[in-house]
Amino acid sequence: GQNIDQPTEMTATEGAIVQINCTYQTSGFNGLFWYQQHAGEAPTFLSYNVLDGLEEKGRFSSFLSRSKGYSYLLLKELQMKDSASYLCARGATDSWGKLQFGAGTQVVVTP
Amino acid sequence: DTAVSQTPKYLVTQMGNDKSIKCEQNLGHDTMYWYKQDSKKFLKIMFSYNNKELIINETVPNRFSPKSPDKAHLNLHINSLELGDSAVYFCASSQVRGLGSYEQYFGPGTRLTVT
Repeated sequence: GQNIDQPTEMTATEGAIVQINCTYQTSGFNGLFWYQQHAGEAPTFLSYNVLDGLEEKGRFSSFLSRSKGYSYLLLKELQMKDSASYLCARGATDSWGKLQFGAGTQVVVTP
Repeated sequence: DTAVSQTPKYLVTQMGNDKSIKCEQNLGHDTMYWYKQDSKKFLKIMFSYNNKELIINETVPNRFSPKSPDKAHLNLHINSLELGDSAVYFCASSQVRGLGSYEQYFGPGTRLTVT
């Protein structure tokens, strides 16, 4: 199948760095997305990688290795408001715009 | 201006009833989606429409019937509601150009509780 694996929960302190790893099946791969979802709210787009390498957007960076079926989201200078679930989502070639989501990683930022 | 809106935000109903959830997007996108997020927070695609045509239909009971009157609207009708249908339903939209992957914008969600 297209299993997407990411850790269930991570805890870090304010100001620290956290790296959330995501692995996925490579066949039919068509891009990797990261979304942030606060409790009771909708997922919001953070980043998109389709080529190998690092994409940086302010405090958030995302990395992709297509050959390894691996991505990570790096959150720097953590703030309390970063406490949320981070969803890894894999684009698929078999259908227009189809995304397959992982179960999410709950990041808890402590003072 | 809300980009993707859904109504209602909360829906509490009894088993066996029929209910509808409405979704509208004002982003000019041509593709809309319905997702179900269960109690374990797993977000799973149910349906997708591109320019009013069904393009994704995952393994969903046929009690669920989407309808797209135009490319800005995608509604979800659910017949004979069951306890297991309790979840948060998210509508999303994106601009899709061929077999690619594109950023999706999500609505605020509809929390359905079946008693």
